[in-house]
Amino acid sequence: AQKVTQAQTEISVVEKEDVTLDCVYETRDTTYYLFWYKQPPSGELVFLIRRNSFDEQNEISGRYSWNFQKSTSSFNFTITASQVVDSAVYFCALSELTSGTYKYIFGTGTRLKVLA
Amino acid sequence: SAVISQKPSRDICQRGTSLTIQCQVDSQVTMMFWYRQQPGQSLTLIATANQGSEATYESGFVIDKFPISRPNLTFSTLTVSNMSPEDSSIYLCSVRTSGGAFSEQYFGPGTRLTVT
Repeated sequence: AQKVTQAQTEISVVEKEDVTLDCVYETRDTTYYLFWYKQPPSGELVFLIRRNSFDEQNEISGRYSWNFQKSTSSFNFTITASQVVDSAVYFCALSELTSGTYKYIFGTGTRLKVLA
Repeated sequence: SAVISQKPSRDICQRGTSLTIQCQVDSQVTMMFWYRQQPGQSLTLIATANQGSEATYESGFVIDKFPISRPNLTFSTLTVSNMSPEDSSIYLCSVRTSGGAFSEQYFGPGTRLTVT
């Protein structure tokens, strides 16, 4: 069975600190996709990044960076110089082919609180 | 990308009644999904809404409780039937613009349902 684990339920940091959100996944498939979403207090999920299982290059987008390591089945997300606006729940998700349809399996989310 | 609207945004309902949630997308999309997010929890897939045919339900969800319609490629409804307080959740519509694994999903703003 596929599974996505976000062991950190809640993290609090002070503004300008760096913070890493962990995501560990389980899958038997060789082809799969991983995603990160942000859910701010307003409730709407915002797509942040997609990574396929064949691309282990790390990615940086502004203050955000992602570290994908197949050897440890991890897809961690780092926010550099955090800001109060980064406060949200962050979900990691795995997309796998199930009964002919690609479906997302979401982790339980990590609530990030950035304090001013 | 896709812009998704949901109606109502929130509602308070009495147990035993039913509520129909509407999801409208600004463009034709391949896949439409309905998720439930219970308070403080992750997202759970209820079903895949299939255009012109019956929805495909995940384990633990049944058509009698959560009937779904999808009359065209831009619209879907989810009905929560015979509600109980345990149905209090946020219900999210989600779409994918293509059926491939690489395609990210976009989420509506959600419908916050409280059952008393």
